Amino acid sequence: GAVVSQHPSWVICKSGTSVKIECRSLDFQATTMFWYRQFPKQSLMLMATSNEGSKATYEQGVEKDKFLINHASLTLSTLTVTSAHPEDSSFYICSARDLGSNQPQHFGDGTRLSIL
Amino acid sequence: GQQLNQSPQSMFIQEGEDVSMNCTSSSIFNTWLWYKQDPGEGPVLLIALYKAGELTSNGRLTAQFGITRKDSFLNISASIPSDVGIYFCAGPVGTSYGKLTFGQGTILTVHP
Repeated sequence: GAVVSQHPSWVICKSGTSVKIECRSLDFQATTMFWYRQFPKQSLMLMATSNEGSKATYEQGVEKDKFLINHASLTLSTLTVTSAHPEDSSFYICSARDLGSNQPQHFGDGTRLSIL
Repeated sequence: GQQLNQSPQSMFIQEGEDVSMNCTSSSIFNTWLWYKQDPGEGPVLLIALYKAGELTSNGRLTAQFGITRKDSFLNISASIPSDVGIYFCAGPVGTSYGKLTFGQGTILTVHP
């Protein structure tokens, strides 16, 4: 079945560092990918929609200059958390949908980001 | 906006018991999805429902799409320890199938 891979799975870094997270669709092409954030014991909240070859669209309240999204190919989207601070610590999850099937979107295994 | 209200928030049950959780919304959804999330992992799709009144099973799991299109339930029969996790209902945002809104989740604990 369709698989979405996310890397890294876990990252710890100092405050002020920029961190890049990759999301790859392994066996299908995805013109659109989605980035979610999940705080402990809470639900997933959509941050932005990543569009291949064009600008991402951000949900209300999400700073586009803080969370840079690049979708340069049909199988890769990246999320860069710029100048990360402790409040950015969270579980970031991407998803993608195989338009060649009638299945709902598949999720990556998430990236645990801890900012010290 | 489209919000999903999921209940209960948590459940503590004995192995072998049946479980039921549900999701309601003030808005109509054309699709209902049920996901399970294990600790430190992304959600995994359990069941997808596409038609009002639809009843679908996946092993010990059964889910139904309410006739009003504003609710759905998920049942787990004869629970086992590996059923532990967080269960989420989800539905598409607006007309965009890709964007999903999630319920608050139901934390399931199964005691052996």
